[in-house]
Amino acid sequence: KAGVTQTPRYLIKTRGQQVTLSCSPISGHRSVSWYQQTPGQGLQFLFEYFSETQRNKGNFPGRFSGRQFSNSRSEMNVSTLELGDSALYLCASSQKSGTFPGGNTEAFFGQGTRLTVV
Amino acid sequence: AQSVTQLGSHVSVSEGALVLLRCNYSSSVPPYLFWYVQYPNQGLQLLLKYTTGATLVKGINGFEAEFKKSETSFHLTKPSAHMSDAAEYFCAVSPMNTGFQKLVFGTGTRLLVSP
Repeated sequence: KAGVTQTPRYLIKTRGQQVTLSCSPISGHRSVSWYQQTPGQGLQFLFEYFSETQRNKGNFPGRFSGRQFSNSRSEMNVSTLELGDSALYLCASSQKSGTFPGGNTEAFFGQGTRLTVV
Repeated sequence: AQSVTQLGSHVSVSEGALVLLRCNYSSSVPPYLFWYVQYPNQGLQLLLKYTTGATLVKGINGFEAEFKKSETSFHLTKPSAHMSDAAEYFCAVSPMNTGFQKLVFGTGTRLLVSP
């Protein structure tokens, strides 16, 4: 069974540009979450999508957005890149066994996309 | 709201020694608790998780953790460290009563293993 696939693995962009990162979840998983990892702030939750709907959002500016397609693949977009956006962006997928309560299941992470903004 | 505190940004042990990585959590509702490991330039791999039931949880690679509600702790242990255990370890919490896949992570502990 293939794991979570994130593309590209590495990316270099210039300040002011925009970038799109892609995440293909494990087959059958309907929930995709995104995290930003930096040395200063650690791992921070960006947003979560389930069945093409954003269900929760972290404390990030509106420059960070995402979407999910009908096949559960997800993309996140960062517009007007800043130097501080340099980070490892991790995607995680999980299989929903139902709604709450008790609907939480473990998240499987991809290898991440390393974004460097210069 | 949930939060996680990992004591010690770095822990050094000798090969064969006991590994103990500390994690304390704060949660207003019953939590799910997780330990993840991250190797350089890699994603996160789940070591073990606590949901409900037995409070002593066994994971992969010989790791285990015990959920202690009275101490709000979920410390990670391994009886005998191996060189391959050198990595960064993250404790995470998520609320049990919602369907959101939102993990709140600690700041991580880098485990150094010397021969």
